[in-house]
Amino acid sequence: NAGVMQNPRHLVRRRGQEARLRCSPMKGHSHVYWYRQLPEEGLKFMVYLQKENIIDESGMPKERFSAEFPKEGPSILRIQQVVRGDSAAYFCASSRTRTGRDADTQYFGPGTRLTVL
Amino acid sequence: TQLLEQSPQFLSIQEGENLTVYCNSSSVFSSLQWYRQEPGEGPVLLVTVVTGGEVKKLKRLTFQFGDARKDSSLHITAAQPGDTGLYLCAGLPYNNNDMRFGAGTRLTVKP
Repeated sequence: NAGVMQNPRHLVRRRGQEARLRCSPMKGHSHVYWYRQLPEEGLKFMVYLQKENIIDESGMPKERFSAEFPKEGPSILRIQQVVRGDSAAYFCASSRTRTGRDADTQYFGPGTRLTVL
Repeated sequence: TQLLEQSPQFLSIQEGENLTVYCNSSSVFSSLQWYRQEPGEGPVLLVTVVTGGEVKKLKRLTFQFGDARKDSSLHITAAQPGDTGLYLCAGLPYNNNDMRFGAGTRLTVKP
C-alpha cells in the first residue's frame, strides 16, 4: 500500500509565477490536509478537503492560495503570484476517516520544498 | 501562541541516556498523536493515544496520555543515535476541524 505521494519534491519559482503542488492520498483515504512548515517551526494547518469539497480553509491565506481535491486525480495546492515569503515546505496528509478511533490519525507525504527566488 | 506547548525545545544527550519530552495544553483533545520528522522528510506517525491515562509502548519508546486528555509525554529509554530527529505532538481539539501541532522537540543523540 503506497503512502501519501507528493510532487514535485522540490520546486523553484521566481516572484510572480504560479506554484502547483500535488498530493495523492493513501489508497482508501478520502480526507486530505495541507500544512506549511517554515524552518525550525512546527506545522501550520492550511486547509482540509474531502473529495470535491473544501471542509475547512481557515488556515489558508485568502489571497493567492487555493486548493482543490477533484473527484479524479490528486489534490492540488495552488499559489499564484508567489512571493519570497511563500518559501517553505508544504506537506500533505491524508486520513481514512474522521469518525471513530482512527479519526484523527493522519499520514504525511514527504513534502514539497518551495523556493521563491 | 501554540495550542500545544512542547518542552524542551532542544535536547542533546549521550547515547544510552534516558529522556522525556512533554506536550501540554489547556485544551482537551479527542486523541493525540506523536510523530518523528527527519530532515528533508515528512513527519512519520509513531503512535496515537485515545483514552485518558493510556500508556503505549513502542520498543524503547513509552507514550502516555494524561488523565484529563490535555497533555502527553514521550519517554525514551537508552537513547540511540538513530533516535535523533524532531518529535512532534499533534491533536484535534473538540469542535475543531484542524489538527494542531506543537513546535516540536529537536532531539540529538550523540554516539
